[in-house]
Amino acid sequence: GIQVEQSPPDLILQEGANSTLRCNFSDSVNNLQWFHQNPWGQLINLFYIPSGTKQNGRLSATTVATERYSLLYISSSQTTDSGVYFCAVVRAAAGNKLTFGGGTRVLVKP
Amino acid sequence: GAVVSQHPSRVICKSGTSVKIECRSLDFQATTMFWYRQFPKQSLMLMATSNEGSKATYEQGVEKDKFLINHASLTLSTLTVTSAHPEDSSFYICSASHREHGGNTIYFGEGSWLTVV
Repeated sequence: GIQVEQSPPDLILQEGANSTLRCNFSDSVNNLQWFHQNPWGQLINLFYIPSGTKQNGRLSATTVATERYSLLYISSSQTTDSGVYFCAVVRAAAGNKLTFGGGTRVLVKP
Repeated sequence: GAVVSQHPSRVICKSGTSVKIECRSLDFQATTMFWYRQFPKQSLMLMATSNEGSKATYEQGVEKDKFLINHASLTLSTLTVTSAHPEDSSFYICSASHREHGGNTIYFGEGSWLTVV
């Protein structure tokens, strides 16, 4: 099956700092999504981004499908950004089955 | 945005009993729903794909007789953990796909924490 690797596994930030999270995948994908899982377990859909660049407030994401990676940028981080960020992909011809990366655990300190 | 609701959010049950978790798409029809399991500090692992009106498709290593999935309508899928044991304690989360802008965006329920004592 497809492999999805996220880096770094853990990230500690000072409030106000910027950061970049990376997601590498091993095969062509039809879908790539970034999620934020809050401390209560809920997964919040951040971006649906199989290719290109999108921005939503302080967050932006870029996927370079030909090179099989995606980046999530967090600017001016806030303590509410803490949690786990997951990248998940749908491999071509795999229906809508999402395969998740291992996640990046982010802690933003005040 | 699309809303997927899960119930209950937390449940404690005794070993040997069964527990049912519901997943509903509130404002759209979901022909396909997915059930995931997440252990503490780990990623989400797909358990099964639930298709409306047909049998669920289980991932390798998932016991279909233990984790019963029913997709009775276009807005409801249920996961029943039968004869639960403490090792079944986990976070269970469902998702549903929703066509948007010519693609497929997948939305997740709030998740259900199961503790088997």
